[in-house]
Amino acid sequence: QKEVEQNSGPLSVPEGAIASLNCTYSDRGSQSFFWYRQYSGKSPELIMSIYSNGDKEDGRFTAQLNKASQYVSLLIRDSQPSDSATYLCAALLDDLMDSNYQLIWGAGTKLIIKP
Amino acid sequence: SAVISQKPSRDICQRGTSLTIQCQVDSQVTMMFWYRQQPGQSLTLIATANQGSEATYESGFVIDKFPISRPNLTFSTLTVSNMSPEDSSIYLCSVASQGHEQFFGPGTRLTVL
Repeated sequence: QKEVEQNSGPLSVPEGAIASLNCTYSDRGSQSFFWYRQYSGKSPELIMSIYSNGDKEDGRFTAQLNKASQYVSLLIRDSQPSDSATYLCAALLDDLMDSNYQLIWGAGTKLIIKP
Repeated sequence: SAVISQKPSRDICQRGTSLTIQCQVDSQVTMMFWYRQQPGQSLTLIATANQGSEATYESGFVIDKFPISRPNLTFSTLTVSNMSPEDSSIYLCSVASQGHEQFFGPGTRLTVL
């Protein structure tokens, strides 16, 4: 069973601090990883995608990928109350027999930014 | 990214009835997906909607219960048949880009009494 694991939280971070969200995956063949933000009552929205080992920065967000450790993380700098949401990690299923390009989803981490 | 709409946005239905949810995309896309999300839970893939062929269903989901149509590259429907209270959930459609990112519609909140 191919899985993506996240700590469900809630993760409480003071405003202005760095929020660190982590995710591990079991499918060693996965090459593509995605972070989504989901506000309560809304659908998930894509924040970052990462395909190569190392860091990828976009504004206040940095995604980190370590394929050897099968580990993906998302850092949010200068956290704001508006960052309070559930963050979902997803990995592209590596299945050469199936071209449906499914994503394996983590359960999500609830992040609370305290003013 | 594509603009995706879903209809209805919410509905309250009686047990034993069926509801058809529509998903419309503003551009042609190859891959469309239907998900279910229970309150406080992550996303569960119901099926992949393939244009011109039958949908591919995940374990635990069957065509008789969740028939899907995909008549063209911009539209799909999911029907929830013979509903029970356990079908109460949010139903989401998504489309995949060439980079395999998925973009979601606003969702349909279904309550079955």
